[in-house]
Amino acid sequence: DAKTTQPPSMDCAEGRAANLPCNHSTISGNEYVYWYRQIHSQGPQYIIHGLKNNETNEMASLIITEDRKSSTLILPHATLRDTAVYYCIVRVGDTGRRALTFGSGTRLQVQP
Amino acid sequence: DAGVTQSPTHLIKTRGQQVTLRCSPKSGHDTVSWYQQALGQGPQFIFQYYEEEERQRGNFPDRFSGHQFPNYSSELNVNALLLGDSALYLCASRAGTSGYEQYFGPGTRLTVT
Repeated sequence: DAKTTQPPSMDCAEGRAANLPCNHSTISGNEYVYWYRQIHSQGPQYIIHGLKNNETNEMASLIITEDRKSSTLILPHATLRDTAVYYCIVRVGDTGRRALTFGSGTRLQVQP
Repeated sequence: DAGVTQSPTHLIKTRGQQVTLRCSPKSGHDTVSWYQQALGQGPQFIFQYYEEEERQRGNFPDRFSGHQFPNYSSELNVNALLLGDSALYLCASRAGTSGYEQYFGPGTRLTVT
């Protein structure tokens, strides 16, 4: 699975959009971009994933660049409950059962 | 519908002892994975079970072993505990045939003294 690079920490004001970047310059054509987050003292939680098109669900939007070498997770209106560590993971899509390879993630602190 | 459940919540053991952690997957899920998360780090994959067999394994020694039961629940066993085994142990389940998403339990906090 391709390696990802994320900033170690970010701050965001409550009610504003949080934009979390991820670099995955060695991504292969069959690898998807997944985002998980981990709120303190809880297990990781799936947020969203995509291959090459932008994706949106009730939690967030995922913007993948045209060359697929980087992506941005967008939380449109961050709340205090969005304070968490966010993990960007690149892996082959689920044609099989593959483990998730977590990096160090980005610690997002939403400020009141 | 209960999500992934793990027991116990917390556990304190002494070096050299053995420990068993338990996981019940989300209803309808047949694949269980175990992860170890040291303080301040991301989770690290230990192994994965489905159809009652270990299918993938991460870079962990043989002291870490597991089992999956016919009802899809799973156990993680760690022998000869070391201080470095102190961590949060996470269980994740997924629906085997079509589930792209892994659902994580709250974890078991193991402290080795």
